Amino acid sequence: DSGVTQTPKHLITATGQRVTLRCSPRSGDLSVYWYQQSLDQGLQFLIQYYNGEERAKGNILERFSAQQFPDLHSELNLSSLELGDSALYFCASSVVGNQVNEQFFGPGTRLTVL
Amino acid sequence: QQPVQSPQAVILREGEDAVINCSSSKALYSVHWYRQKHGEAPVFLMILLKGGEQKGHDKISASFNEKKQQSSLYLTASQLSYSGTYFCGTGVFGNEKLTFGTGTRLTIIP
Repeated sequence: DSGVTQTPKHLITATGQRVTLRCSPRSGDLSVYWYQQSLDQGLQFLIQYYNGEERAKGNILERFSAQQFPDLHSELNLSSLELGDSALYFCASSVVGNQVNEQFFGPGTRLTVL
Repeated sequence: QQPVQSPQAVILREGEDAVINCSSSKALYSVHWYRQKHGEAPVFLMILLKGGEQKGHDKISASFNEKKQQSSLYLTASQLSYSGTYFCGTGVFGNEKLTFGTGTRLTIIP
């Protein structure tokens, strides 16, 4: 158990819908990262927040947005869902927001878009 | 640009050694290694930094060749528990995000 929690574990929805994925980082970690992993694919970095502010952005679609709240939990919002958005979405956290710190991954949210 | 991992997949018998390589076209500052079992979250193994030492714990170690922008992960006397997909994540100076490779699937058989 990494100490990072994600809810829900599974999510099934229809095309065109909007969903919100939630992540709580490890106690004391200030940085949160979001990744997308499609079937048998690598981890695609979406976005990073540090202490409430956006720190780095990856290949995140305009239909996707995220935020980190004062209590440091983060939410990833996916809208106008398409079949291709079906994937595992991981949240990770680290103590600070730089590349010299290990990232601890949550168990993931499996999103299925029908 | 995504780092390239090789091999893409390897099958070993318990007790054999494995080497997994990670190559980048960019000048790297850090290389992270993670292992992911099917359906589970990636688990951190180690970080190597530019100018740092070769890392290792137990029978898993890694090296970082800064000139070639390559890192290698060494698994000696592999155990069944080593099975999974190994990912390298690379970082460049001045950019805090990691770019992960496509992974190497390692299967250990008895």
